[in-house]
Amino acid sequence: GEDVEQSLFLSVREGDSSVINCTYTDSSSTYLYWYKQEPGAGLQLLTYIFSNMDMKQDQRLTVLLNKKDKHLSLRIADTQTGDSAIYFCAEAYYGGSQGNLIFGKGTKLSVKP
Amino acid sequence: SAVISQKPSRDICQRGTSLTIQCQVDSQVTMMFWYRQQPGQSLTLIATANQGSEATYESGFVIDKFPISRPNLTFSTLTVSNMSPEDSSIYLCSAQPTWDQPQHFGDGTRLSIL
Repeated sequence: GEDVEQSLFLSVREGDSSVINCTYTDSSSTYLYWYKQEPGAGLQLLTYIFSNMDMKQDQRLTVLLNKKDKHLSLRIADTQTGDSAIYFCAEAYYGGSQGNLIFGKGTKLSVKP
Repeated sequence: SAVISQKPSRDICQRGTSLTIQCQVDSQVTMMFWYRQQPGQSLTLIATANQGSEATYESGFVIDKFPISRPNLTFSTLTVSNMSPEDSSIYLCSAQPTWDQPQHFGDGTRLSIL
């Protein structure tokens, strides 16, 4: 079946850049997403990229997509303590229910002061 | 982007009872979905809530356990029936205005069953 994989933990120092990586299996995915979940909260859409793009930048966030390797990354520049959260990568999979999102297990980002 | 409100935000329920979770979107959307997030886990799609017809359930989820309503383009409910401790999870509603726009999520309902 379709699968999305991410490393479970990442720890960085405040002010450094964070890079969260994700691999996916469905080559027909049209959109790939990054969501953020803070403790006790729902999912906040951070950014997304269409599969015909290689890169998307939005303020401190840079998304890189390598479609050949099915690899997606999220770079957070100048990481702050408020960025501490769980980050979920998701692919839009249209093989099953329309718009079904397949989520990775999430990467817990810890930012040390 | 669509703003999604879920009620209740949390509840503690007795085994064997049922709870209905409401999801309200501030604008009309084509698609609404219900997900479950078990403790420390990722999200799993329960079903797609179809307006005016029966929901489409994913493998492992059935209508008798998770009945869903969607009476219009801005509102849906999920009922968790005959609850057991294994149903303790966060239940999240999402909305997608059109197929080429991203899904946005509510804050979730944190459900604990004693």
